[in-house]
Amino acid sequence: LAKTTQPISMDSYEGQEVNITCSHNNIATNDYITWYQQFPSQGPRFIIQGYKTKVTNEVASLFIPADRKSSTLSLPRVSLSDTAVYYCLVGDMSVGGGYNKLIFGAGTRLAVHP
Amino acid sequence: DSGVTQTPKHLITATGQRVTLRCSPRSGDLSVYWYQQSLDQGLQFLIQYYNGEERAKGNILERFSAQQFPDLHSELNLSSLELGDSALYFCASSVEASGRIREQFFGPGTRLTVL
Repeated sequence: LAKTTQPISMDSYEGQEVNITCSHNNIATNDYITWYQQFPSQGPRFIIQGYKTKVTNEVASLFIPADRKSSTLSLPRVSLSDTAVYYCLVGDMSVGGGYNKLIFGAGTRLAVHP
Repeated sequence: DSGVTQTPKHLITATGQRVTLRCSPRSGDLSVYWYQQSLDQGLQFLIQYYNGEERAKGNILERFSAQQFPDLHSELNLSSLELGDSALYFCASSVEASGRIREQFFGPGTRLTVL
């Protein structure tokens, strides 16, 4: 069971790049790394998922080093609307792969200031 | 809008009562997941159904049960309610492609208050 560790909170300013790092020292071979964003009183929203190296989509990039023991979510040029909680999840996303073991931890509370 | 619907949006009830929360997944999604989010526990995975069958179980209490119907909507039944059951209950659905779950789509949640 891969446990994750993230900073509890981070502060940034509009227009800056934000990098949130997640540690997962016990990541297993079949585990993927997935990030979600959650606004107050709303359901989490998928941001990005990766297995190794770098993944980029229209909203974020995910950097995963070769040992896969950590990952970094990068949000380019944040705005006030990016203020939210960000969760890092690590787990075997294969069908029947023990999805029940996925854990949404406390997440990282990102506050973006004007 | 994720395409996942949940009803009711809010529910207020008393201890000892039983309630049913309903979820309709996105069109075409066969998997439904239930989560509980309380202030002191974060987001906890409860249970997953796939095409009507239970597939995975998390931290779901024996007082809680769920099912997925032939039309793929799902219901979460909570009985003998306690004050500590007050929380946001989320339903999510997903597509499984190439044998892998890529992302889950979460509904707006049902806020349960037990008085």
